[in-house]
Amino acid sequence: EAGVTQFPSHSVIEKGQTVTLRCDPISGHDNLYWYRRVMGKEIKFLLHFVKESKQDESGMPNNRFLAERTGGTYSTLKVQPAELEDSGVYFCASSQDWDSYGYTFGSGTRLTVV
Amino acid sequence: DQQVKQNSPSLSVQEGRISILNCDYTNSMFDYFLWYKKYPAEGPTFLISISSIKDKNEDGRFTVFLNKSAKHLSLHIVPSQPGDSAVYFCAARNMNRDDKIIFGKGTRLHILP
Repeated sequence: EAGVTQFPSHSVIEKGQTVTLRCDPISGHDNLYWYRRVMGKEIKFLLHFVKESKQDESGMPNNRFLAERTGGTYSTLKVQPAELEDSGVYFCASSQDWDSYGYTFGSGTRLTVV
Repeated sequence: DQQVKQNSPSLSVQEGRISILNCDYTNSMFDYFLWYKKYPAEGPTFLISISSIKDKNEDGRFTVFLNKSAKHLSLHIVPSQPGDSAVYFCAARNMNRDDKIIFGKGTRLHILP
């Protein structure tokens, strides 16, 4: 079974540019989560999709961030325009129903805004 | 406002000895607690969990203890092995908040030869 796949693994962009991160969850997983970790800080929740619907987007920092999950399969997270403080590692995770294992995470996308 | 706190950024333990990682939480609505392990350039991977109705869960070398009255949990690794060197995240689920998992800042564990 393929795990959660994230692309790209690294991205370096200039302030003001646009970046789009992609996440392919485990096939059949209705729940898809985006998290972000800024260096040394906690892994912070951004938002949660159930299929194609946004269940909870309370963690999205501001309106420069836009997440989509068309068709309830893969998801994209767009940052436009990027700011320096957006740098960090963006993790995607997926799950079917809740179980004691929590979520399965991808390897993350390391975003550096210069 | 951090709901899950890991106050030790790092911990060094001799190989073969016991590693104890601590975690405190503030939200009494958390009903499930998890520990994730993370290697560099990888995502967090599930290690062990415990329901709030239990006070101990054991899986091989890993044991998690939960003290609800103190809002404290700990992860014990015994004996510690070199491959245990990683960042360990304590996490908790809020049963009333749509299964969202809240993470702490992590503790970097170094296993010394």
